[in-house]
Amino acid sequence: QVQLQESGPGLVKPSETLSLTCSVSGSSISSGYYWAWIRQPPGKGLEWIGNIYHSGTTYYNPSLKSRVTISVDTSKYQFSLKLSSVTAADTAVYFCARQSSGWYYFDSWGQGTLVTVSS
Amino acid sequence: QSALTQPRSVSGSPGQSVTISCTGISSGVGGYSYVSWYQQHPGKVPKLMIYDVTKRPSGVPDRFSGSKSANTASLTISGLQAEDEADYYCYSYAGSYTFDRFGGGTKLTVL
Repeated sequence: QVQLQESGPGLVKPSETLSLTCSVSGSSISSGYYWAWIRQPPGKGLEWIGNIYHSGTTYYNPSLKSRVTISVDTSKYQFSLKLSSVTAADTAVYFCARQSSGWYYFDSWGQGTLVTVSS
Repeated sequence: QSALTQPRSVSGSPGQSVTISCTGISSGVGGYSYVSWYQQHPGKVPKLMIYDVTKRPSGVPDRFSGSKSANTASLTISGLQAEDEADYYCYSYAGSYTFDRFGGGTKLTVL
């Protein structure tokens, strides 16, 4: 059974870069899935940030594209998120998730990690 | 791409059926639409309940069913139980590997 676990700082200062890593177990990160980041501001809905294939091909939400970088380290079974120039609006629970090969659904999720942007 | 619209809230009594709609579904090549539904209890992780419009992952009760008509997808929960009280999100992918979107979410209250 696939398991995903987010890790990274829970507090980031405004204008700095948010960095999170998702560790994958129970599934080859080089399988035919995509690996996604999704966030949820407190009390609000889900927002897809972007995803990555094991080849390194990435796709990003156009509204965040200028600030987002997703990378993968297949040897470590990890993929990572960097979001630059953060503001309070980026405060959210960040989830990593496995996205099906056709982007049709998300079948496994990490527990989520709250990242607060505050000085 | 336009937003996926869900009602903010729905409610029903135990044993009843409720339907949550998701409007704004667009079709990709061949007319296919790929819709999935997620259940999220407060403070918990979203859980996949329906995928490919009508399919249930292993372990999801058959009280949960999905359908689609024109540009609207629906999640129906029959035989409501207290544990079904949660937020529900639809998700749709229409192709071209460009941009993904979730609906705004619907809060289900079991009266």
